[in-house]
Amino acid sequence: GENVEQHPSTLSVQEGDSAVIKCTYSDSASNYFPWYKQELGKGPQLIIDIRSNVGEKKDQRIAVTLNKTAKHFSLHITETQPEDSAVYFCAATQNTGNQFYFGTGTSLTVIP
Amino acid sequence: DVKVTQSSRYLVKRTGEKVFLECVQDMDHENMFWYRQDPGLGLRLIYFSYDVKMKEKGDIPEGYSVSREKKERFSLILESASTNQTSMYLCALAGKDQPQHFGDGTRLSIL
Repeated sequence: GENVEQHPSTLSVQEGDSAVIKCTYSDSASNYFPWYKQELGKGPQLIIDIRSNVGEKKDQRIAVTLNKTAKHFSLHITETQPEDSAVYFCAATQNTGNQFYFGTGTSLTVIP
Repeated sequence: DVKVTQSSRYLVKRTGEKVFLECVQDMDHENMFWYRQDPGLGLRLIYFSYDVKMKEKGDIPEGYSVSREKKERFSLILESASTNQTSMYLCALAGKDQPQHFGDGTRLSIL
């Protein structure tokens, strides 16, 4: 099956700086890569996703890049704010509505 | 907005008890999932269901079972709870070709 690795496990940045979280996957058949943000006491919330026919996608301060050849994808957060502090999970799947394979999470702390 | 309702936010049970965790949706989505979340291990899939009365094992099904008698409700059952099943349990659902949406979880403690 698919194996998703995520790094780093913890990340601290100063407010206003950028944060980058990286994931690698093993199954070349995976074609959908969502990112989730989990705030304390809540379930994971989808924040951005990318499909394998696209190399980059951006939504305001958040962007995701995908390198299919190298089988890795990354989340980029620019101009970080304290409310960006949360745990972020990447995932990969062959089929959007079916089983997702999650990374182990990155705890991001934005220091005011 | 997609709403996934988990019946309890916090639950404390004793070793050996039979425990039921409930998940309800109002979106008529086919696919429903149960994960457990543990520090450093991420989200691990226990069971999922594609339709009423259908179920598939995930990566860690041992010690669990599920029930989906109606489309809107997916139940996770711990037949005989053990302390190593203390965890956060997350339910998710997805429509056809749609990403998964999660509930806020049930933090289960087995004493």
